[in-house]
Amino acid sequence: AQKITQTQPGMFVQEKEAVTLDCTYDTSDPSYGLFWYKQPSSGEMIFLIYQGSYDQQNATEGRYSLNFQKARKSANLVISASQLGDSAMYFCAMRVINQAGTALIFGKGTTLSVSS
Amino acid sequence: GAVVSQHPSWVICKSGTSVKIECRSLDFQATTMFWYRQFPKQSLMLMATSNEGSKATYEQGVEKDKFLINHASLTLSTLTVTSAHPEDSSFYICSAAAGVSYGYTFGSGTRLTVV
Repeated sequence: AQKITQTQPGMFVQEKEAVTLDCTYDTSDPSYGLFWYKQPSSGEMIFLIYQGSYDQQNATEGRYSLNFQKARKSANLVISASQLGDSAMYFCAMRVINQAGTALIFGKGTTLSVSS
Repeated sequence: GAVVSQHPSWVICKSGTSVKIECRSLDFQATTMFWYRQFPKQSLMLMATSNEGSKATYEQGVEKDKFLINHASLTLSTLTVTSAHPEDSSFYICSAAAGVSYGYTFGSGTRLTVV
């Protein structure tokens, strides 16, 4: 079964510190994609970073990096130098093949709270 | 960048009425659109996938007759919640993809309240 697991319901971090949000996945497909999205209280889904299953290097986008450990089936998000504006819900997602083609499935999410 | 517009952003309707939510890709052609449902503080649950010109493919447990999806053009998909009831109250969000190798762009979501 294809599944995304986020085991941290909530995380707390102080401004300027780094934080790691955990994500593990399960799939039997050799080709897959992993995504991280940020959802602030407004509800919009903001794309942060993408990692393809065949990518040799960990993805990075500014303060965001993805710690991709393929053998462990984990794709943790690392946010460096946290800012107050980083407070939001974060979702890990995986592109899966379904009857209609492909789709994104999501983990349960992690609520990140950044304090000053 | 790719932009998806979703309207309305919020709607309140009476029990028993129908509500239509629109999802438009503004600057790209969306071969595939997705509809998700999200309860407060919970994950996004995929409801259905629609390819332009084809019938939508619904996920297990989603009532096809209650949640009507139309994807008549490469830039527009609609979700109609028919005979809405209070338990249909939720946050509905659409997503569009230009192709398998491209990313997914999300609309801003619609908060539906059925009273």
